[in-house]
Amino acid sequence: DAKTTQPTSMDCAEGRAANLPCNHSTISGNEYVYWYRQIHSQGPQYIIHGLKNNETNEMASLIITEDRKSSTLILPHATLRDTAVYYCIVSVEYGNKLVFGAGTILRVKS
Amino acid sequence: SAVISQKPSRDICQRGTSLTIQCQVDSQVTMMFWYRQQPGQSLTLIATANQGSEATYESGFVIDKFPISRPNLTFSTLTVSNMSPEDSSIYLCSVGDPSGLAEGGSYNEQFFGPGTRLTVL
Repeated sequence: DAKTTQPTSMDCAEGRAANLPCNHSTISGNEYVYWYRQIHSQGPQYIIHGLKNNETNEMASLIITEDRKSSTLILPHATLRDTAVYYCIVSVEYGNKLVFGAGTILRVKS
Repeated sequence: SAVISQKPSRDICQRGTSLTIQCQVDSQVTMMFWYRQQPGQSLTLIATANQGSEATYESGFVIDKFPISRPNLTFSTLTVSNMSPEDSSIYLCSVGDPSGLAEGGSYNEQFFGPGTRLTVL
């Protein structure tokens, strides 16, 4: 699986958009970009995933660059409850393990 | 989605003993995984639990230390054997949700249990 690079931590004001970047320059053609988050003392939670097109769901948007070497997770209106560690993971779609990196600690502040 | 429960939620154990952690899912799932999260660290995959066959272990993890059972499509156990303080971690199970495929999802849309917090003295 391709390796990902994320900033160690980020701060965001409550109500503003949180933009979390991820670099995955060695991504293969059949690998997807997945985002999970882990709120303190809980198991990780799936957020969104995509292959090459931008994706949006009720939680977030995922913007993948045309060369697929980087992506950005966007939380459009961050709340205090979005404070968590956010993991960007690259993996093939079916039956493959998830390799968690260090992730980005997002702190949403009022 | 899938709802996952783990037992126990936490335990304090003496070194040299063993603890079996249970993972129960509310629906049949093909793939179940066991992870370890050491204090202040990210998650590390221990093994993939396959129904009807032996578990597949990641590098650095062996069956004698972490035996796994997968008797059916809704249940798995992980045993932490001959524990030492270095085994103090949160142990989490996760599942790949086949129903996600029907909804345009994928096996890698994994759902995680709440974890078992293990402290070894």
